[in-house]
Amino acid sequence: DAGITQSPRHKVTETGTPVTLRCHQTENHRYMYWYRQDPGHGLRLIHYSYGVKDTDKGEVSDGYSVSRSKTEDFLLTLESATSSQTSVYFCAISPVTSGRATDTQYFGPGTRLTVL
Amino acid sequence: AQSVAQPEDQVNVAEGNPLTVKCTYSVSGNPYLFWYVQYPNRGLQFLLKYITGDNLVKGSYGFEAEFNKSQTSFHLKKPSALVSDSALYFCAVFNTDKLIFGTGTRLQVFP
Repeated sequence: DAGITQSPRHKVTETGTPVTLRCHQTENHRYMYWYRQDPGHGLRLIHYSYGVKDTDKGEVSDGYSVSRSKTEDFLLTLESATSSQTSVYFCAISPVTSGRATDTQYFGPGTRLTVL
Repeated sequence: AQSVAQPEDQVNVAEGNPLTVKCTYSVSGNPYLFWYVQYPNRGLQFLLKYITGDNLVKGSYGFEAEFNKSQTSFHLKKPSALVSDSALYFCAVFNTDKLIFGTGTRLQVFP
C-alpha cells in the first residue's frame, strides 16, 4: 500500500459526534487525497492537499474538513457525523513531477466508518 | 467536464475465456486514462494508464487496454481470465491534479 497507513481501520460512531480519520505516509509526497467509496458511486473526492496547510475541496466536501500540519499526516474530520457519511474512506498520495501532481495515485487500505 | 462511464455493473466470465471491461470517456483535450483494481477489503491498485502513443497499453497481471479515440473508449482486456482476477475494476481520467473515477465494474470469473 505504498507506505500509506490509515487509522482507525474500522469505526462505529453515533450520529452527531465528531470523528477524525488519519492518513499517514512515510515518503513525504506533497499531494494527498481523501475519497469516499459507496456502492453505485465509485470513488468520490472529498478534499485534497497540495502541501502543508494547502488544501482544496473535492466534489463531496460538505460536512467534512481537513487539516495538514505536517507533510506526512492528512486528517479528515466529520464535524457532526450523519448516517449518510457511513462509507469506506480511502486516502491516496500522488508523487510530484515538475511541481505538479503526477497522474498516478497510490491508495491506503481504507477506513470503514459506520454512523448509527 | 471530464468524466468516465462504466456501463456494466458486473461482468461474468468463465476461467480461461477472454474478458473485457468497458469504459467510455468524455474529456476536452487529450485524455489521461487509467484502470485501477480493488480486491476485497483492500485499497485500489494501479493497473495501467494511457497518456499518449500506442493505443494498446499493457499493464500489470497480464491486463491490457485499448484506447479508441473515435469511439471515446478505453476498454480493459485480458486474453485468458483467472479466478484470481475477480475484483472491482475502476476506470478513471486525470484532470488537473485530480482523478475522476467511474462507478466501477465487478468482474466475476467462474471456475
